[in-house]
Amino acid sequence: ETAVFQTPNYHVTQVGNEVSFNCKQTLGHDTMYWYKQDSKKLLKIMFSYNNKQLIVNETVPRRFSPQSSDKAHLNLRIKSVEPEDSAVYLCASSRTGYEQYFGPGTRLTVL
Amino acid sequence: GNSVTQMQGQVTLSEEEFLFINCTYSTTGYPTLFWYVQYPGEGPQLLLKVTTANNKGSSRGFEATYDKGTTSFHLQKASVQESDSAVYYCVLAQGGRALIFGTGTTVSVSP
Repeated sequence: ETAVFQTPNYHVTQVGNEVSFNCKQTLGHDTMYWYKQDSKKLLKIMFSYNNKQLIVNETVPRRFSPQSSDKAHLNLRIKSVEPEDSAVYLCASSRTGYEQYFGPGTRLTVL
Repeated sequence: GNSVTQMQGQVTLSEEEFLFINCTYSTTGYPTLFWYVQYPGEGPQLLLKVTTANNKGSSRGFEATYDKGTTSFHLQKASVQESDSAVYYCVLAQGGRALIFGTGTTVSVSP
């Protein structure tokens, strides 16, 4: 099956903890993305990676960092979570930079 | 800069009614325009795209026309079903850069 896979589906944690989310795509795409979707369904791009190069960083807080081992994987680490980080984090990939394919998302709740 | 405007945050319909979602965009040149749909518990997925001005895209009964004169890309469907309940995003792509998402329109269809 070719798709975008994300783990975990849900994560609940306390303020100040470190969390890490995984994303893998089996579509053979060259570019991967992380988006944050808030409670109002607003989608904001956080990062994109093309051939291990960070090509878009929309001035997210420094506690967020993308990590890529190869073009099929793009993980997201949050060093010390804060309440406003509660959201759904969506991973996506694309070949052309236009049509993006999304994973199901990871819902983060920070207590 | 590039932007997409969806004024309707919520649309509520009964089955077999006509759906119309307003979308206008602002950019230079000739962007590619998309509609993405997000069903509950899933990531957004491509519904339709149009790459050429004044062309129409269609998929699963949905249609949208890329109108460069009015900078609009409204989405419509003649007869909705309960399964069409979802969040619909109007999206712009320009020059291979990251996608620009509208704020989304939540469509609720009752049987």
